[in-house]
Amino acid sequence: AQTVTQSQPEMSVQEAETVTLSCTYDTSESNYYLFWYKQPPSRQMILVIRQEAYKQQNATENRFSVNFQKAAKSFSLKISDSQLGDTAMYFCAFYPNAGNNRKLIWGLGTSLAVNP
Amino acid sequence: ETGVTQSPTHLIKTRGQQVTLRCSSQSGHNTVSWYQQALGQGPQFIFQYYREEENGRGNFPPRFSGLQFPNYSSELNVNALELDDSALYLCASSRQGFYEQYFGPGTRLTVT
Repeated sequence: AQTVTQSQPEMSVQEAETVTLSCTYDTSESNYYLFWYKQPPSRQMILVIRQEAYKQQNATENRFSVNFQKAAKSFSLKISDSQLGDTAMYFCAFYPNAGNNRKLIWGLGTSLAVNP
Repeated sequence: ETGVTQSPTHLIKTRGQQVTLRCSSQSGHNTVSWYQQALGQGPQFIFQYYREEENGRGNFPPRFSGLQFPNYSSELNVNALELDDSALYLCASSRQGFYEQYFGPGTRLTVT
């Protein structure tokens, strides 16, 4: 069974600093996608960044970047120049690109607090 | 482009009752997925609908059922509500064959 593990229940960072959130996953699939979603107190789940497993290059979206280590099954999120608006729950999610039951498989989340 | 919408925002029901939650998919999306997110947990996949048929189901009992309409909107129905059904219910839409899912704001269901 595919699983996603986020080992940091809570993290905090000072405004303007850099923070890295960890995620590991377990799968026997070779073709899949990985995502980081942000869920602020408003509850809306917002896509932050995505990574296709077949791409070696790490994805980057403005201040957000990932470190994708396929062999190690690791997918960490780095937030640079942290802003107060980055305070939220962050979820790592896995999506297999094969089989009939394609669904997002989620970690338990990391609560990130950005302090002024 | 219209985003994913869900109604109602909040709902309080009594154990044993039935509830219907609604979701309108994003413009151009034909697939709807439903997730249950208990407090302090990550979302759990309930089921997905494509072309008005169930297209994958998670580990949820049959009292969780759904519908998809020709305009791709969807309903989640839960019968015989239990206290453990209290959660945030998230709807996500996508285009079939595309992996990106876009989420609505959720419906907070409280069962007392």
